[in-house]
Amino acid sequence: GAVVSQHPSWVICKSGTSVKIECRSLDFQATTMFWYRQFPKQSLMLMATSNEGSKATYEQGVEKDKFLINHASLTLSTLTVTSAHPEDSSFYICSARVGQGSQPQHFGDGTRLSIL
Amino acid sequence: QKEVEQNSGPLSVPEGAIASLNCTYSDRGSQSFFWYRQYSGKSPELIMFIYSNGDKEDGRFTAQLNKASQYVSLLIRDSQPSDSATYLCAVKRGSGGSNYKLTFGKGTLLTVNP
Repeated sequence: GAVVSQHPSWVICKSGTSVKIECRSLDFQATTMFWYRQFPKQSLMLMATSNEGSKATYEQGVEKDKFLINHASLTLSTLTVTSAHPEDSSFYICSARVGQGSQPQHFGDGTRLSIL
Repeated sequence: QKEVEQNSGPLSVPEGAIASLNCTYSDRGSQSFFWYRQYSGKSPELIMFIYSNGDKEDGRFTAQLNKASQYVSLLIRDSQPSDSATYLCAVKRGSGGSNYKLTFGKGTLLTVNP
């Protein structure tokens, strides 16, 4: 149980392109999903919290106009990196939590984004 | 002071030995503690979580929590080469307001030598 699917796994694209990443909870409903970014040899940094049916909550320093998050259903959240540049190259990982309270987060497989 | 601290390692142990991974946290209000395993190039995978002081065992893994010392550890018994990975400690304050957020340490790289 608690499977989170993330797509695509790899993206290589030119600078200026917008890239959409999907995160799906396959066997449970997730009212809250989380988007993280991880640079090489660094820990996971929370970018934003995605809430179904409402606006995402962004962490300090994360540009909401650059990283667009849409959580249109209880099983799908999307992250769009708009006009991506080489400095946006990173490992993007989503997670979802089963239920509320202290339940652990389960992570998707991640998306490795490389901007040329 | 970093919120969640882990020794980056690498921690090297022989196959069959006990690997001991440690984590300290600064927020005394923290209530939930998680250990994730992350293989190179992969996303984190939940190993264990613990909420109460003491030990919690699951197979070869034992999580230990001491809230007074703000310390949480993960013991891996009978270590296998397949356990070689980075182990991330994550801490959560609670569930209300912004307390649902996980704060991660940088991770400890464990290498189990055959």
